[in-house]
Amino acid sequence: DAKTTQPTSMDCAEGRAANLPCNHSTISGNEYVYWYRQIHSQGPQYIIHGLKNNETNEMASLIITEDRKSSTLILPHATLRDTAVYYCIVTSGGSNYKLTFGKGTLLTVNP
Amino acid sequence: NAGVTQTPKFQVLKTGQSMTLQCAQDMNHEYMSWYRQDPGMGLRLIHYSVGAGITDQGEVPNGYNVSRSTTEDFPLRLLSAAPSQTSVYFCASRTLAGLGYTQYFGPGTRLTVL
Repeated sequence: DAKTTQPTSMDCAEGRAANLPCNHSTISGNEYVYWYRQIHSQGPQYIIHGLKNNETNEMASLIITEDRKSSTLILPHATLRDTAVYYCIVTSGGSNYKLTFGKGTLLTVNP
Repeated sequence: NAGVTQTPKFQVLKTGQSMTLQCAQDMNHEYMSWYRQDPGMGLRLIHYSVGAGITDQGEVPNGYNVSRSTTEDFPLRLLSAAPSQTSVYFCASRTLAGLGYTQYFGPGTRLTVL
C-alpha cells in the first residue's frame, strides 16, 4: 500500500473551512484514498473515500489532484466537535483491503 | 443496530494472566478485525477474519489468539499478558458485499498490564 504524509497538527477557527492535506505520491492506479477520524479516546470513524474523482458527502469533501499524488479533505464549516485526529489512508480496493493507520493530523478547532 | 460492541471497557491484568476481549457486531458483517493503539500512535492490525472459521494475522499478531465460530463474534485472547500489551484495543467490522468501504469501529477496551 502507498505511504501517506500528513502534517502533524493544524488549527482552524470555528465556522471556517478546514482543509487537511495528504501526500501520497507513490499511489498506484487501483488504490483508493480513505479518510477516517478519531475523536479523543473513541474508535475511528469513516469520513469519505475516493479513487480519482472528487467526492462529497454529508460530512466532508475530498479533492484528489489529477495526478492522484495528493488529496485534501475539506470540512466546510468546522465545529468544536470536529477536533480530532484525521487519518489519510491509501489502500487497494476490493474485499481484501486493509487499513494501515499512520499518526494522522491532529485538527484543533478553536472558538 | 448496536453496531460494534466491546467488553470490557477497562481491564487491569497482572503479568502472566490470560484474558479474552470480547467483540460483537449485529450488522451481519463478514470481515472483522482487531487493532491496538499505543499512546500517540496510529492503530496497528493484530488479527482479522473474513468469515466464520477463517482468521489471519495482521501486523502485530504475537501474543494474541483469535477464533471466529460465528459471524457475530470475534474474541481476542491474550495468552500470557505482558506489560508491552498495555494498550487500547479496537475491534472493527465491515461487509465484504458490494464495495464494503466503510469500516465500523467499536468503542475500545483499555487494557493495563502491571
